[in-house]
Amino acid sequence: GENVEQHPSTLSVQEGDSAVIKCTYSDSASNYFPWYKQELGKRPQLIIDIRSNVGEKKDQRIAVTLNKTAKHFSLHITETQPEDSAVYFCAASGGSSNTGKLIFGQGTTLQVKP
Amino acid sequence: GAGVSQSPSNKVTEKGKDVELRCDPISGHTALYWYRQSLGQGLEFLIYFQGNSAPDKSGLPSDRFSAERTGGSVSTLTIQRTQQEDSAVYLCASDGGRGEVTGELFFGEGSRLTVL
Repeated sequence: GENVEQHPSTLSVQEGDSAVIKCTYSDSASNYFPWYKQELGKRPQLIIDIRSNVGEKKDQRIAVTLNKTAKHFSLHITETQPEDSAVYFCAASGGSSNTGKLIFGQGTTLQVKP
Repeated sequence: GAGVSQSPSNKVTEKGKDVELRCDPISGHTALYWYRQSLGQGLEFLIYFQGNSAPDKSGLPSDRFSAERTGGSVSTLTIQRTQQEDSAVYLCASDGGRGEVTGELFFGEGSRLTVL
């Protein structure tokens, strides 16, 4: 089945700097790659996603890139702010089993220092 | 309902007891997921229901875990003979408004299970 690896597990940046989180997946048939943000004590929420027919997608300060050949995708946050501090999860679905089952990475704890 | 509802929000039980966790998905959502999140850990897939298809149970960690979804709506996750390692937050999520699975999961607040 699908396996998603996420790095780094923790990331600390200064306010205003950029943050990059990387994920790799194992199932080459996977075609949907969302990113979720989980603030402390709250439920995960979708922040951005990308499908396999595009290589990059941007929404204000966040962007996601996808390299299908290398089977990896990344989340980029620019001009980080303290409210960006949270745990971020990548995920993949639509693999060989052809279901909507989402497999998540292990998560990255991002700390933005004011 | 307006969102995914889970109950109980907190459950403390003794080792060896059975527990049932309930999830009410967003009305009309065809897909329902259960995930487990241990303290400081990631989202571990447990089981996935989609419409009338057979559920994907590939993430259930042992035969002590089972889940059902009645009438395509409410789901119950049952853990029999609980062990201390079962302590975690159990998250339910739904997707598939208007019959289309979009991939955007809407999570409930979770049920925090503590096994003493």
